[in-house]
Amino acid sequence: DGGITQSPKYLFRKEGQNVTLSCEQNLNHDAMYWYRQDPGQGLRLIYYSQIVNDFQKGDIAEGYSVSREKKESFPLTVTSAQKNPTAFYLCATKKGSENEKLFFGSGTQLSVL
Amino acid sequence: RKEVEQDPGPFNVPEGATVAFNCTYSNSASQSFFWYRQDCRKEPKLLMSVYSSGNEDGRFTAQLNRASQYISLLIRDSKLSDSATYLCVVTPPGTYKYIFGTGTRLKVLA
Repeated sequence: DGGITQSPKYLFRKEGQNVTLSCEQNLNHDAMYWYRQDPGQGLRLIYYSQIVNDFQKGDIAEGYSVSREKKESFPLTVTSAQKNPTAFYLCATKKGSENEKLFFGSGTQLSVL
Repeated sequence: RKEVEQDPGPFNVPEGATVAFNCTYSNSASQSFFWYRQDCRKEPKLLMSVYSSGNEDGRFTAQLNRASQYISLLIRDSKLSDSATYLCVVTPPGTYKYIFGTGTRLKVLA
């Protein structure tokens, strides 16, 4: 079954804790993205990666980190430095060329305990 | 000025009505344009790409006006199932970034 898998669906973070959101894809897409969505707001770009072992900061990268060791995987770590992490996190992928459409995973809702 | 702007709505329309949304963008060199549909707490799903010549998919028509820097989405014969938030997406030139509008909320009423 092809697609993008995000896990977990719901995640709770304690104060001072780092948590990692998983994003796996079997679409053989080159580029992967992480977005954050707050209620009533649009999607804001955290990080993106065009190829393995390379990634770039988006507009709101502070307090987050990523890795791209495999084409299929692009995990996002929300560090304790991110003071307002409660949001809906969306992973997206696209084929290598520009101007292609984005495909999204089903998202992870992160909340702070 | 925001890079991509949309009227947040909500647009409340009766079943069967025709409704149109606009989305303005600030970078005149933007290259690609899309409309996505997002249901509450779900992932956005591609509704349609927007081409320079305009394009239609069933009850949905998308148009691009480069001179005035906006794209539009027209929905004819609205269904209850069309109730959702519609996101406008624009790609600036020379970048892999996708810029999302905040979305326009549509409610189709029985």
